[in-house]
Amino acid sequence: DAGVTQSPTHLIKTRGQQVTLRCSPKSGHDTVSWYQQALGQGPQFIFQYYEEEERQRGNFPDRFSGHQFPNYSSELNVNALLLGDSALYLCASSRDQQETQYFGPGTRLLVL
Amino acid sequence: AQRVTQPEKLLSVFKGAPVELKCNYSYSGSPELFWYVQYSRQRLQLLLRHISRESIKGFTADLNKGETSFHLKKPFAQEEDSAMYYCALSGKTSYDKVIFGPGTSLSVIP
Repeated sequence: DAGVTQSPTHLIKTRGQQVTLRCSPKSGHDTVSWYQQALGQGPQFIFQYYEEEERQRGNFPDRFSGHQFPNYSSELNVNALLLGDSALYLCASSRDQQETQYFGPGTRLLVL
Repeated sequence: AQRVTQPEKLLSVFKGAPVELKCNYSYSGSPELFWYVQYSRQRLQLLLRHISRESIKGFTADLNKGETSFHLKKPFAQEEDSAMYYCALSGKTSYDKVIFGPGTSLSVIP
């Protein structure tokens, strides 16, 4: 089991563009959470998906949206990119919210 | 407001010395508390959670509800403990998000 995988590892976009980040959860996990980690800060919760539905959302604008597929993999979409969206985006999976979260290596997004 | 604070961005200790990483929180209710660790070039991973009351890699953390603190302690620091440490909390239902603190970078000097 490779654990949680994320793609791509790095990405460079320009302001106004749209981006899609992908996450495959650890085998046996059905819950996926997304976090944004700006430089020098702790991860900030974006949203969580379970049974293909957004179950909980953090304080992020509607430009941030997501999706979970029947195989439990997930996508994070960010529209109308801003310079401030530059960050490391982490995906974490668990069997349920109450179980231990396992983190992926992250996708580093740079918006120019 | 739900919040986690870690007052020290950087902490340096000598090998063999005791180490304490501070964490304070604000939460209306009884949260679950966690410590996560990120070693160099590795993924963020759970170190311990207060509900399990385990000692992992010699680290322990005591929840002090009166002071709303969850400090991480180890009696004798090792060089391999050098890492970034994040304190985090969540509610006890399946619908509660995890809130992380800003992190403390621990450097153990040989």
